[in-house]
Amino acid sequence: GAGVSQSPSNKVTEKGKDVELRCDPISGHTALYWYRQRLGQGLEFLIYFQGNSAPDKSGLPSDRFSAERTGESVSTLTIQRTQQEDSAVYLCASSLNRVETEAFFGQGTRLTVV
Amino acid sequence: EDKVVQSPLSLVVHEGDTVTLNCSYEVTNFRSLLWYKQEKKAPTFLFMLTSSGIEKKSGRLSSILDKKELFSILNITATQTGDSAVYLCAVLNQAGTALIFGKGTTLSVSS
Repeated sequence: GAGVSQSPSNKVTEKGKDVELRCDPISGHTALYWYRQRLGQGLEFLIYFQGNSAPDKSGLPSDRFSAERTGESVSTLTIQRTQQEDSAVYLCASSLNRVETEAFFGQGTRLTVV
Repeated sequence: EDKVVQSPLSLVVHEGDTVTLNCSYEVTNFRSLLWYKQEKKAPTFLFMLTSSGIEKKSGRLSSILDKKELFSILNITATQTGDSAVYLCAVLNQAGTALIFGKGTTLSVSS
């Protein structure tokens, strides 16, 4: 596609439920990043995928968070047993390769846990 | 711990003013520094800086990196109301596995 596409754009869920967020990167982009942005805060790195290599999961805040990506295609970020502190905008970005290129961001998913 | 610090946190100016936004960093294995403009949700790319002392320009925006003093500035001349946004600075580590973001500078330009 022309840009990074994320869905849903907004999600309201009850505390304790699982949610799945989707990211469709720019075609041909091998690198894919997930970030979280809490209200009034900077972007917080969550996870990085590069092609078929093992992902860098060092930013995932707890074992309730997981993400998958098959090859260079769609990625899903899953949050299990959601908590109110998970409320944030979840941004996905993709780039052509792992260094020396800018990352292009999707519009994000605003997650509200009530 | 790697960190990126931006200043000021917020800035209010009048149309036509020139502003300078600051970004300092402490990052092991620095690769490059990037500036983004964030309106609503999605940040949009402005500049990527890898070498010291080389100014990058795009219209009224310009940026430069100082790798010795570990900082970068983003200048906006003749500001317009459409420049109102959060400006994010991020540093890419050597492996390219993560962008480490600052908290941003919120710029408000009044007419």
